[in-house]
Amino acid sequence: DTEVTQTPKHLVMGMTNKKSLKCEQHMGHRAMYWYKQKAKKPPELMFVYSYEKLSINESVPSRFSPECPNSSLLNLHLHALQPEDSALYLCASSQYVGAPNTIYFGEGSWLTVV
Amino acid sequence: AQSVTQLDSHVSVSEGTPVLLRCNYSSSYSPSLFWYVQHPNKGLQLLLKYTSAATLVKGINGFEAEFKKSETSFHLTKPSAHMSDAAEYFCVVSDRQTGANNLFFGTGTRLTVIP
Repeated sequence: DTEVTQTPKHLVMGMTNKKSLKCEQHMGHRAMYWYKQKAKKPPELMFVYSYEKLSINESVPSRFSPECPNSSLLNLHLHALQPEDSALYLCASSQYVGAPNTIYFGEGSWLTVV
Repeated sequence: AQSVTQLDSHVSVSEGTPVLLRCNYSSSYSPSLFWYVQHPNKGLQLLLKYTSAATLVKGINGFEAEFKKSETSFHLTKPSAHMSDAAEYFCVVSDRQTGANNLFFGTGTRLTVIP
């Protein structure tokens, strides 16, 4: 079963709020990812975790803070976001980082910043 | 350097007719190639992948793609379109040079299926 589960599916938050997006996979994958996708665009990589350690941060602003509590869970903490941060946030996982590993995506969390 | 070009931003077909979504890639190493589909307001679902085995790859929902190294192409086809195929399709490449930044995405092709 190739399933990545994300919650919540929809989130509306004010610019001063603190909220979190959550992601879970039970495939035994050791690499997990956060992507951001704007309308009509391909996903853009934000963060990569490998063996629960942050290995890639694609110059993401500090108002986005990732956390990997264990090998199955990945969180994205949000604070003081801007309206332009409104997007679909996709979590993904793969057995390991790097080719030829296949990346599996979740359904995404739709974030609206007001 | 790796890159992916999806030659059509929008393809429109009638239900029951063949589908062809074109993808060309650039890779310095032996690439892995993927097609993902994204239905409206959904996440990305893996359709099929090529990772240096058979060059003709069969995926889910009747889709298949052929890896042609000489043409650096990985076009996606389906013999007969169904209404449920209407979605955005992304061609993606990765290779051992990309490292942890695992995937290079094409810009996407929106498939419309006309009843």
